[in-house]
Amino acid sequence: ILNVEQSPQSLHVQEGDSTNFTCSFPSSNFYALHWYRWETAKSPEALFVMTLNGDEKKKGRISATLNTKEGYSYLYIKGSQPEDSATYLCASEGGKLIFGQGTELSVKP
Amino acid sequence: NAGVTQTPKFQVLKTGQSMTLQCAQDMNHEYMSWYRQDPGMGLRLIHYSVGAGITDQGEVPNGYNVSRSTTEDFPLRLLSAAPSQTSVYFCASSYQRMNTEAFFGQGTRLTVV
Repeated sequence: ILNVEQSPQSLHVQEGDSTNFTCSFPSSNFYALHWYRWETAKSPEALFVMTLNGDEKKKGRISATLNTKEGYSYLYIKGSQPEDSATYLCASEGGKLIFGQGTELSVKP
Repeated sequence: NAGVTQTPKFQVLKTGQSMTLQCAQDMNHEYMSWYRQDPGMGLRLIHYSVGAGITDQGEVPNGYNVSRSTTEDFPLRLLSAAPSQTSVYFCASSYQRMNTEAFFGQGTRLTVV
């Protein structure tokens, strides 16, 4: 069973702040690293699926990087907005998709 | 597009009762899975399937059965409900086993009393 860890567990920032979260995963038997955004009372929605070491993906103000050799990924949000408030999940794919506990982000106006 | 459809959305069971949570997808996805979500624990994988007729266990399979007789459907059966199975259950599907994003259903909130 893969062990996927996310930090911090929760984060409270002011509107306009930039922030980042960490996801660590076992580097052996690695196929892909997923990031999902999960708003309260909704279902998780995919942000990125990353496979290559050194990969960097961007969607608007959100970007992610991947280091498969050392087993970590960073998610960055530039200029946080209240609508960015959500839980951000990462998941490591090694035959099956295993999720971390998530980072709960709260952005205050 | 319907996407991934879960039923029911809410359910209350008595300890010892059995029930089936339904999951259907209309995207011709190979890979389907069931997760449970508990406070502070993220999503934990219960069972998954890589195609019709093939299922396998995830992180927390005890007390649950699955089957995959068609590509579209992946029901989750609780054999004898226990209070520890009180949770929110999510079904997910993806086009293929690897390297593609998962699409989630709306969730089923189950309470076992």
